[in-house]
Amino acid sequence: EDQVTQSPEALRLQEGESSSLNCSYTVSGLRGLFWYRQDPGKGPEFLFTLYSAGEEKEKERLKATLTKKESFLHITAPKPEDSATYLCAVHSTQGGSEKLVFGKGTKLTVNP
Amino acid sequence: GAGVSQSPRYKVAKRGQDVALRCDPISGHVSLFWYQQALGQGPEFLTYFQNEAQLDKSGLPSDRFFAERPEGSVSTLKIQRTQQEDSAVYLCASSSDRTLGSPLHFGNGTRLTVT
Repeated sequence: EDQVTQSPEALRLQEGESSSLNCSYTVSGLRGLFWYRQDPGKGPEFLFTLYSAGEEKEKERLKATLTKKESFLHITAPKPEDSATYLCAVHSTQGGSEKLVFGKGTKLTVNP
Repeated sequence: GAGVSQSPRYKVAKRGQDVALRCDPISGHVSLFWYQQALGQGPEFLTYFQNEAQLDKSGLPSDRFFAERPEGSVSTLKIQRTQQEDSAVYLCASSSDRTLGSPLHFGNGTRLTVT
């Protein structure tokens, strides 16, 4: 069964304090790993897709990396506006169709 | 352009009532997904449409849940005889791609509360 586990569940940082979020996955043949950001009361917003081990993508203060077992979302010098829940998902073909299987998310709070 | 639109934003139903949740995907998007998100959890897959065809309904929790997309655009998720455990946010997402080569675009969801 395709599975995604995210850690930690919650993370509090001071503004400027860099850190990383972890996403461990189990999937039959990785066809894509996705990172989304979700603000309270909103739907998930797409950040990155990674396809193969060693791949990296960056956007502003965020950098996503991928290995064969896990992905990291590195946040450099975060600001309060980076506070959100970050969701990791894998592209799954379980059940005969294509879908995203999500983890439970990491709730990030950045204090000024 | 407009994103994915869902209505209503909030719905309160008494246990046993039927509800209908609407999703207007991005125009021209062939793939449409419904997800259920409980408080503090990640989205859980419910069902998937490619145009008007429902290709996967393996995530629907019971036969009280029914989804349709009759003309390949707007979709409706119907829940019959609602139960308290149905309380959650229901998210709709669409994609221009048949194979998830393009990212899913999510709506802001319908928060269903069953009392």
